[in-house]
Amino acid sequence: GIQVEQSPPDLILQEGANSTLRCNFSDSVNNLQWFHQNPWGQLINLFYIPSGTKQNGRLSATTVATERYSLLYISSSQTTDSGVYFCAVGRQSNDYKLSFGAGTTVTVRA
Amino acid sequence: DTGVSQNPRHKITKRGQNVTFRCDPISEHNRLYWYRQTLGQGPEFLTYFQNEAQLEKSRLLSDRFSAERPKGSFSTLEIQRTEQGDSAMYLCASSFIFRGVYGYTFGSGTRLTVV
Repeated sequence: GIQVEQSPPDLILQEGANSTLRCNFSDSVNNLQWFHQNPWGQLINLFYIPSGTKQNGRLSATTVATERYSLLYISSSQTTDSGVYFCAVGRQSNDYKLSFGAGTTVTVRA
Repeated sequence: DTGVSQNPRHKITKRGQNVTFRCDPISEHNRLYWYRQTLGQGPEFLTYFQNEAQLEKSRLLSDRFSAERPKGSFSTLEIQRTEQGDSAMYLCASSFIFRGVYGYTFGSGTRLTVV
C-alpha cells in the first residue's frame, strides 16, 4: 500500500501563531484529504485536495502531486484548532481505499 | 443530508461477549467503509461495500468479525467473542465515486472498550 508520513508528530503553538504541517506519500494518488480529529474522536474533513491549493478561512492546503507531498497551513491559531490532524491518500488502482498517516498532534495554548 | 451516523457512540463489554455496531451512511453515497483506530494511530481499513456487495476485507478482520449492508443502505459490524485487543474506535465512512472524483465523510465513531 501507499506509505504516508506526516511531520512533525507533535506541535505546540501559542495562540495566534502560524504553523505548517507536512504530508509525504510514496506513490501517485487520486485522492488526498486532510482531516481534523476532535477530542471526541470525530474526523472532520478539512480539504479534499489531490492537487493544487485551497483555502478555507484560516486554513489552507497545497498539494504538489508530482513531488508527492501536501502541506496544511494554520494561520492565527486558536485553542479550538487543537487536536490531531491526519493526512489520508487513496488511488484508483487500490480501489480508492484511504491510507492514513500517523497524524500530527497540535496543541494550541492560550 | 445529516451526514454519516454511527451508534452507539460508546460500548463497554465484557470479554467473550458479542457486540454489534450500526452505521447509516449519506443516502446518495454508493460506498461504505469500516475503519479501526487504536490509540495514537491513524485509522486502518477493515472492509468496504459498493451498494450491498462486500468487495474487500482486510487481513485485520479476523473470522470473529462480520459486516453486512442489507439492501445497500445501513451497515452493521459484529464482533463475536470479543477480546481485549478489540478495544478501539470503529469508524464508518461513506463516499460517492464519480469519474474518479470522490471524497470520504466519516461518522463520529463507536468507541469499544472490552474489559
